[in-house]
Amino acid sequence: ETGVTQSPTHLIKTRGQQVTLRCSSQSGHNTVSWYQQALGQGPQFIFQYYREEENGRGNFPPRFSGLQFPNYSSELNVNALELDDSALYLCASSLPGQGFDTQYFGPGTRLTVL
Amino acid sequence: DQQVKQNSPSLSVQEGRISILNCDYTNSMFDYFLWYKKYPAEGPTFLISISSIKDKNEDGRFTVFLNKSAKHLSLHIVPSQPGDSAVYFCAASPHSGAGSYQLTFGKGTKLSVIP
Repeated sequence: ETGVTQSPTHLIKTRGQQVTLRCSSQSGHNTVSWYQQALGQGPQFIFQYYREEENGRGNFPPRFSGLQFPNYSSELNVNALELDDSALYLCASSLPGQGFDTQYFGPGTRLTVL
Repeated sequence: DQQVKQNSPSLSVQEGRISILNCDYTNSMFDYFLWYKKYPAEGPTFLISISSIKDKNEDGRFTVFLNKSAKHLSLHIVPSQPGDSAVYFCAASPHSGAGSYQLTFGKGTKLSVIP
């Protein structure tokens, strides 16, 4: 039990739609990262938020956006869904200034785009 | 262009024997490496890490070896137990500076420990 929860567990959308995925971090964890894990691949970094600001971004287009809230929850929004967006989306939270070994992943949201 | 490569998609080992999982990387900026274990329907969990100033780190049954000149690391599990059956991901990052906020993962190796 990492204390990081994600909702929903599974989601099915159609191409062109928009989706919002949610992550609830452990108390005090004001750094959250989002990863996309396609089938048969490792997690790929989307972006990181720290104190409600985007702190770094991977190679993902602007239709992937995020929000972080003061209550340690965060959202990943994806607009204009494409078939290739089908994947497991993971969020990971950590304390500020702590290394990756203290970063905790949630169980993920499985998104299917038809 | 895969910067972290795990070339063995799967590995089967008898209970009690050694499991050796391998990982290669291409980015010379990587100087901090981690192994994660992932069970189905769960997120990855941190297992062990190593900094480039070391060539070995040990934690109980788990040992990670780093060969910087070969850009290669390996995870040894001794003895292997059925509960170790999971997907293992190798991940890397620059310790500081540009990109130090993100991990680059390999594709994973599915380890099956046979009782």
